[in-house]
Amino acid sequence: DSGVTQTPKHLITATGQRVTLRCSPRSGDLSVYWYQQSLDQGLQFLIQYYNGEERAKGNILERFSAQQFPDLHSELNLSSLELGDSALYFCASSVEQVGDEQFFGPGTRLTVL
Amino acid sequence: AQKVTQAQTEISVVEKEDVTLDCVYETRDTTYYLFWYKQPPSGELVFLIRRNSFDEQNEISGRYSWNFQKSTSSFNFTITASQVVDSAVYFCALSVASNSGYALNFGKGTSLLVTP
Repeated sequence: DSGVTQTPKHLITATGQRVTLRCSPRSGDLSVYWYQQSLDQGLQFLIQYYNGEERAKGNILERFSAQQFPDLHSELNLSSLELGDSALYFCASSVEQVGDEQFFGPGTRLTVL
Repeated sequence: AQKVTQAQTEISVVEKEDVTLDCVYETRDTTYYLFWYKQPPSGELVFLIRRNSFDEQNEISGRYSWNFQKSTSSFNFTITASQVVDSAVYFCALSVASNSGYALNFGKGTSLLVTP
């Protein structure tokens, strides 16, 4: 158990809908990362938050957004969903020192029908 | 730009064989960090090791060992006396301090199947 929690574990929805994925980092970790894992794209970095502020952006679509709250939990919002958004979404956390290992949550499997 | 290449897509071995998973990385940064993660069939990503660019010492942890060679930009992972429980997808990853924060750049992964 990495100490990172993600809910829900599975999510099935329809095209055009909006969903919210939730992540709670390990105790003491200030940084949260979101990654998407799909068969064709592999594991891709989406966005990072540090202590409530956006730190870095990766290959995140404009339809996707995230935030980190004062209690350090984070939410990833996916809107106008398309079939291609079906993937495993991981949250990871770290203390946020250079080169820190990131500890991953169990992931949320999103299926868009 | 940063890139990680895991040329072996799938490897199949018989239990007790040794197996090496290759990882080649590209970066222009002189300070960087390399990682290996394991993704078993259950789906979670498990951290295995981190190495920084200034430490080329090889590391051994039980049946696992890692060979870091800056001259060939490689960070290979060897499992000695493989076991069925080693069956998983293994990812090599690279992190540099850049405008992507400290995000991990992952390779495509190597799927290892260990059969009895």
